[in-house]
Amino acid sequence: KAGVTQTPRYLIKTRGQQVTLSCSPISGHRSVSWYQQTPGQGLQFLFEYFSETQRNKGNFPGRFSGRQFSNSRSEMNVSTLELGDSALYLCASSLGGPSDTQYFGPGTRLTVL
Amino acid sequence: GESVGLHLPTLSVQEGDNSIINCAYSNSASDYFIWYKQESGKGPQFIIDIRSNMDKRQGQRVTVLLNKTVKHLSLQIAATQPGDSAVYFCAENKGDYKLSFGAGTTVTVRA
Repeated sequence: KAGVTQTPRYLIKTRGQQVTLSCSPISGHRSVSWYQQTPGQGLQFLFEYFSETQRNKGNFPGRFSGRQFSNSRSEMNVSTLELGDSALYLCASSLGGPSDTQYFGPGTRLTVL
Repeated sequence: GESVGLHLPTLSVQEGDNSIINCAYSNSASDYFIWYKQESGKGPQFIIDIRSNMDKRQGQRVTVLLNKTVKHLSLQIAATQPGDSAVYFCAENKGDYKLSFGAGTTVTVRA
């Protein structure tokens, strides 16, 4: 079974631009979560989606948004990019239960110049 | 507060020796705990998990111990191999669809 896939793997943007990242979950998984990983803050939860509904959200500004499609694929968008948004953005999928194991993709490395 | 932390940021271990990675947590309401391994350039890889109603769980070359009295979690790796070199994270799940991660321990295996 294929794992979680994320596209693109690397991205370079400039301040003020916006970016959209994509995640395809493991087949059969209906929950997709997003995390931001930085050297200073570590791994931080952004949001989680199940059946196209956001069930939980972390403490990030409104510039960070996401959505999920009917096929469980998910996208996250960051608008008005700031230098501090440079990070590895990780997507994880699970079956959808509150404590089901989350399996991570390889991440998208975003660099904001 | 709600946090999951690791005792040591780095661990150097001789190949063939056993490794012990520690993690302290503060939220008694956590439902279960997970250990992930992250190699350079990759996403976190699931290693093993343990429910809050368990004290010990074993996998292939790994054992996780949970001490709820002192809110302590540990990962033991038997016969550490070069391929075990990575950053190890403990994560906490309170049953709310999200994981709270510790800061990570970088394990380096010496040949």
